Amino acid sequence: EVQLVESGGGLIQPGGSLRLSCAASGFTVSGNYMSWVRQAPGKGLEWVSVIYSGGDTYYGDSVKGRFIISRDNSKNTLSLQMNSLRVEDTAMYYCATVGATHPYAFDYWGQGTLVTVSS
Amino acid sequence: QSALTQPPSASGSPGQSVTISCTGTSSDVGGYNYVSWYQQYPGKAPKLMIYEVSERPSGVPDRFSGSKSGNTASLTVSGLQAEDEADYYCSSYGGSNNWVFGGGTKLTVL
Repeated sequence: EVQLVESGGGLIQPGGSLRLSCAASGFTVSGNYMSWVRQAPGKGLEWVSVIYSGGDTYYGDSVKGRFIISRDNSKNTLSLQMNSLRVEDTAMYYCATVGATHPYAFDYWGQGTLVTVSS
Repeated sequence: QSALTQPPSASGSPGQSVTISCTGTSSDVGGYNYVSWYQQYPGKAPKLMIYEVSERPSGVPDRFSGSKSGNTASLTVSGLQAEDEADYYCSSYGGSNNWVFGGGTKLTVL
């Protein structure tokens, strides 16, 4: 059974850094495309970043240059390093598989971890 | 990477059908058959309901169907049930290794 469990969220001041993790089970992170998707309180979903099985990484315009997606194959985990955080980065952050069994779709989702950026 | 356009709300009575639209551009919805739809209950993670415009993942009721015409995709829920009341989001691959979501539609079962 595919399971994704996010952690690392919390309250952080503007300009600070935070690292989110997503522990995967039931499949290998390295063999799949993996993404982060966020949702600001009361708002819609926003694609944040993707890492391909080959290791290439891509980002949405709103986080480019500030966030870094990576994976640890030995721990089967996905990470998101968030730097220079802004108030508008406040959101629930979900990790998700992309196209694991459904091409170009976000198949499986974690429960999310909440990031609050506030002074 | 502009968000896809969805109506903020939709409604229908039990047993009726309701259709939710999702309008993009020729660079996303119109350019690829990689439109997907997600159902989200309050406080829960989204769930994949439709992928590749009209395909249903295993376990999704056949009351849910998808289609596309030009730059607009649609999700139709037939035989509405109380449990269908949720937020629905469309998404499309946007080319150049990025994805875009719609703003979401709150479906109310009257």
